[in-house]
Amino acid sequence: GQNIDQPTEMTATEGAIVQINCTYQTSGFNGLFWYQQHAGEAPTFLSYNVLDGLEEKGRFSSFLSRSKGYSYLLLKELQMKDSASYLCAGISGGYNKLIFGAGTRLAVHP
Amino acid sequence: EPEVTQTPSHQVTQMGQEVILRCVPISNHLYFYWYRQILGQKVEFLVSFYNNEISEKSEIFDDQFSVERPDGSNFTLKIRSTKLEDSAMYFCASSEAQGGSGGHFTFGSGTRLTVV
Repeated sequence: GQNIDQPTEMTATEGAIVQINCTYQTSGFNGLFWYQQHAGEAPTFLSYNVLDGLEEKGRFSSFLSRSKGYSYLLLKELQMKDSASYLCAGISGGYNKLIFGAGTRLAVHP
Repeated sequence: EPEVTQTPSHQVTQMGQEVILRCVPISNHLYFYWYRQILGQKVEFLVSFYNNEISEKSEIFDDQFSVERPDGSNFTLKIRSTKLEDSAMYFCASSEAQGGSGGHFTFGSGTRLTVV
């Protein structure tokens, strides 16, 4: 099967660090994406992991462990504009299909 | 930064009518996709398109759906006879390479389809 699980909601304080976890049970995922989606808008690309380990990009980092079927997105120095849904998505064996999780709605408070 | 553009941004149609959703992918991209998101639910894959043919489609993409690249720039999704449950945000996406090769997917801003 191709299930992706992530928490439904999280809250955090401006300036803090938050980690959003994603677990997946899949046959044939070939990489893990993280997207940000503000309400009513398109998903925008944040990061992509194909190998195990940490990818860092400014305030955002993403980690992948393929053997554990686990990824996380780390957001540092949180800003109010980071309030959004964060979507974990695996790319299927066909390389042409993203399977999305339901998304984690992050609320950043002052 | 290059964008995927979609028109219209919002379409209201009567049940049973045909709709065509339009997309202009990024010009040097070779792979094109349609996804949909019913309000409050996850983004779902519909279809991928490469080299002028469908490369993969989901169970949602039944005979009522079709895609076309009528010229060198447009990529369209047609729903022949809309149902109430087709109401959703439809996202077009494109990528330069196969996604598994590290080419990430760029999404358009979506068309909100409302079937009444």
